[in-house]
Amino acid sequence: QKEVEQDPGPLSVPEGAIVSLNCTYSNSAFQYFMWYRQYSRKGPELLMYTYSSGNKEDGRFTAQVDKSSKYISLFIRDSQPSDSATYLCAMKVPAGGSNYKLTFGKGTLLTVNP
Amino acid sequence: KAGVTQTPRYLIKTRGQQVTLSCSPISGHRSVSWYQQTPGQGLQFLFEYFSETQRNKGNFPGRFSGRQFSNSRSEMNVSTLELGDSALYLCASSSLASSLAVSYNEQFFGPGTRLTVL
Repeated sequence: QKEVEQDPGPLSVPEGAIVSLNCTYSNSAFQYFMWYRQYSRKGPELLMYTYSSGNKEDGRFTAQVDKSSKYISLFIRDSQPSDSATYLCAMKVPAGGSNYKLTFGKGTLLTVNP
Repeated sequence: KAGVTQTPRYLIKTRGQQVTLSCSPISGHRSVSWYQQTPGQGLQFLFEYFSETQRNKGNFPGRFSGRQFSNSRSEMNVSTLELGDSALYLCASSSLASSLAVSYNEQFFGPGTRLTVL
């Protein structure tokens, strides 16, 4: 079982739709949970991060973490064509000693159609 | 503040050759991490450098190596290239080493180097 599983999509929605992106993870030792957005030919950029179970909201974006189910979600309200990108979930995981690394899902390609 | 820069942006090599990629972190950042991104495996961690020392390494063969200079710039080298090494190589900089960050320490990614091995 992979450490982080993410449905690769692709996902295509009309403008204004609510988008739900999800990841599951296998190890309860995973700590910080992040969502990155990656536009074509660009590096990933951090959208949101959270530590505890529950919801965290930032504008049209809501990150949700359920540690008991090892499940995280990103919701996008009122989606816009400019939201079209690949969305990657990521987690800060122990990497030996006192080191940590980021482990990523494979990403979900989202297209928002005008 | 200038972002993370990577050179070159695109590279074409043949099997058996070696390649060196360069990354300049955000000014003041001392930690540089390297990642490989492929459609099949996604984004995978290669290694982390902090203050010229490799602090952390992912599960890649010894053909993948790196180093960091006193100005925090980092290079990654891949020797004896294989077709499967074709990927987008990303570097990310942060202000602290992963082991020193109490909470989440944001990593800022560069645009990547697209390596094609023929």
